[in-house]
Amino acid sequence: DSGVTQTPKHLITATGQRVTLRCSPRSGDLSVYWYQQSLDQGLQFLIQYYNGEERAKGNILERFSAQQFPDLHSELNLSSLELGDSALYFCASSGGAGGNQPQHFGDGTRLSIL
Amino acid sequence: GENVEQHPSTLSVQEGDSAVIKCTYSDSASNYFPWYKQELGKGPQLIIDIRSNVGEKKDQRIAVTLNKTAKHFSLHITETQPEDSAVYFCAPRSNDYKLSFGAGTTVTVRA
Repeated sequence: DSGVTQTPKHLITATGQRVTLRCSPRSGDLSVYWYQQSLDQGLQFLIQYYNGEERAKGNILERFSAQQFPDLHSELNLSSLELGDSALYFCASSGGAGGNQPQHFGDGTRLSIL
Repeated sequence: GENVEQHPSTLSVQEGDSAVIKCTYSDSASNYFPWYKQELGKGPQLIIDIRSNVGEKKDQRIAVTLNKTAKHFSLHITETQPEDSAVYFCAPRSNDYKLSFGAGTTVTVRA
């Protein structure tokens, strides 16, 4: 058990809809990272938050957004969903801001768009 | 961005034999080199990592070796067991602190 909790485990929705994925980091970790895993793109970094502030951005679409709350949990919002957004979405956490500490992953949310 | 290549893409070994996976990266500024193991239905699990000031690190049956000059690092698993069957990813981290994942190696340990 990595200590990173993601909910829900599975999500099924339709094109055009909006969903919110939630992540609780390990106790004491201040950084949260979001990744997308798909068969064609592999594991891709989306965005990082540190102590409530956006820290780094990767290949995140404009339809996607994230935030980190004062209690350090994070949410990833996906809107105007398309079939191609079907994927596994992982959250990871680490202690520091600059990524000098190992990242530990949750078990993901599987998003299926019908 | 960082280009990462991982070889082989699949690896089948007899239980008790060794397995080696190689990861090549492009960014010479990369300074942290982790390996992750992913089992079905689970998230990637960090199994070993090495920093750029060290050439080799070992943890029981698992070891990682780093060649910064050639820009590659390798995962070595000795005395493989059925529970070692999984997908393994390298994920070098460059100066922007982002992990860049390889495409993964599916390891199957035959009993």
